[in-house]
Amino acid sequence: ETGVTQSPTHLIKTRGQQVTLRCSSQSGHNTVSWYQQALGQGPQFIFQYYREEENGRGNFPPRFSGLQFPNYSSELNVNALELDDSALYLCASSPTGEGEQYFGPGTRLTVT
Amino acid sequence: AQSVAQPEDQVNVAEGNPLTVKCTYSVSGNPYLFWYVQYPNRGLQFLLKYITGDNLVKGSYGFEAEFNKSQTSFHLKKPSALVSDSALYFCAVRDDSSYKLIFGSGTRLLVRP
Repeated sequence: ETGVTQSPTHLIKTRGQQVTLRCSSQSGHNTVSWYQQALGQGPQFIFQYYREEENGRGNFPPRFSGLQFPNYSSELNVNALELDDSALYLCASSPTGEGEQYFGPGTRLTVT
Repeated sequence: AQSVAQPEDQVNVAEGNPLTVKCTYSVSGNPYLFWYVQYPNRGLQFLLKYITGDNLVKGSYGFEAEFNKSQTSFHLKKPSALVSDSALYFCAVRDDSSYKLIFGSGTRLLVRP
């Protein structure tokens, strides 16, 4: 069991709304990454934060944004929700210099 | 660009038999390869990684993986499958310039009693 937690577990939103998903990383892990996993697919990289600065971004539009806080927590914000945003959103943390990432249980977002 | 491929959508094996889940990779530099497992309604759990060193990597829950540079493969193996191993398995490669993981499409492992 990893020390990465995410909230909420499930969320239902309407198209056009905004959503904030939260993650608490393992203590001491300076890097947090967010992934989107659509049904039946592998996770897709959204972006990564290192010491509160965005450190890399995948092929996602600017309406996907994030924040990382000094207390190892982070947020994923999605504006103007679309039906295709329905997915499992995974947060992963890693200590600086290590290869593996440790994933949280995910937030299942449904957009109707 | 880095990528991984998992050619099998599903692998079926009887309990007690050996299992193999296949993965091939494409990288521009040194490969950093990983295997993760996902149980229903759960996040991904780290199984093992290859960074450098021995080609046979041992991981959690009795799993191991064999790195083969000439065949650009990193197959996941277990000598004796358990019903509880039934899950979705993902191979991943780490991007050279960041900690970003690039995942394969996943292979569903079904172990029948």
